[in-house]
Amino acid sequence: GAGVSQSPSNKVTEKGKDVELRCDPISGHTALYWYRQSLGQGLEFLIYFQGNSAPDKSGLPSDRFSAERTGGSVSTLTIQRTQQEDSAVYLCASSLATKDTQYFGPGTRLTVL
Amino acid sequence: QKEVEQDPGPLSVPEGAIVSLNCTYSNSAFQYFMWYRQYSRKGPELLMYTYSSGNKEDGRFTAQVDKSSKYISLFIRDSQPSDSATYLCAMNRETSGSRLTFGEGTQLTVNP
Repeated sequence: GAGVSQSPSNKVTEKGKDVELRCDPISGHTALYWYRQSLGQGLEFLIYFQGNSAPDKSGLPSDRFSAERTGGSVSTLTIQRTQQEDSAVYLCASSLATKDTQYFGPGTRLTVL
Repeated sequence: QKEVEQDPGPLSVPEGAIVSLNCTYSNSAFQYFMWYRQYSRKGPELLMYTYSSGNKEDGRFTAQVDKSSKYISLFIRDSQPSDSATYLCAMNRETSGSRLTFGEGTQLTVNP
């Protein structure tokens, strides 16, 4: 079946602009995660949604970052007033339930000029 | 200091070689250990998943966990050019839900 999809695949923006990144999880997966992959940093956890529970936002680096998940499916990660240090690959993953295998999307490569 | 340390490489080996990839970690609360493989411009894909100390084998891949030393390894036997990728170790705590803590990743090239 279809895997996790993310859009856009690449995004170039100017410093100070807002960006929205989209994730479509695997159908039926109740858990959804956002990670950020920067050069020399590996993957860093950002936020986690599980069903209708309050999201775990403990990995968001600043209040410029926010995410929502509508209808228990699609998720949008929003970065306001982008900075150059926000340049990274943003990866989304989903799993059937908590602690099940996480399946990753191809990522969105964000470049902030 | 990072919770999970992994040598980023790059590591270059000839086809057919045995590859050893390693991670160390500092937090004894980590209970579940994984290895992901990531091809260029793709998302990571799960290779191996282990819970307890010991070895787990799957084809040419063997994952090893030593909780007493806080050290995990992935061995690749008879390496192939198609194994060329970045290998990421990942782990999580029993009490942290499903959030994974990753190593930096080791870039591997297998030369034909």
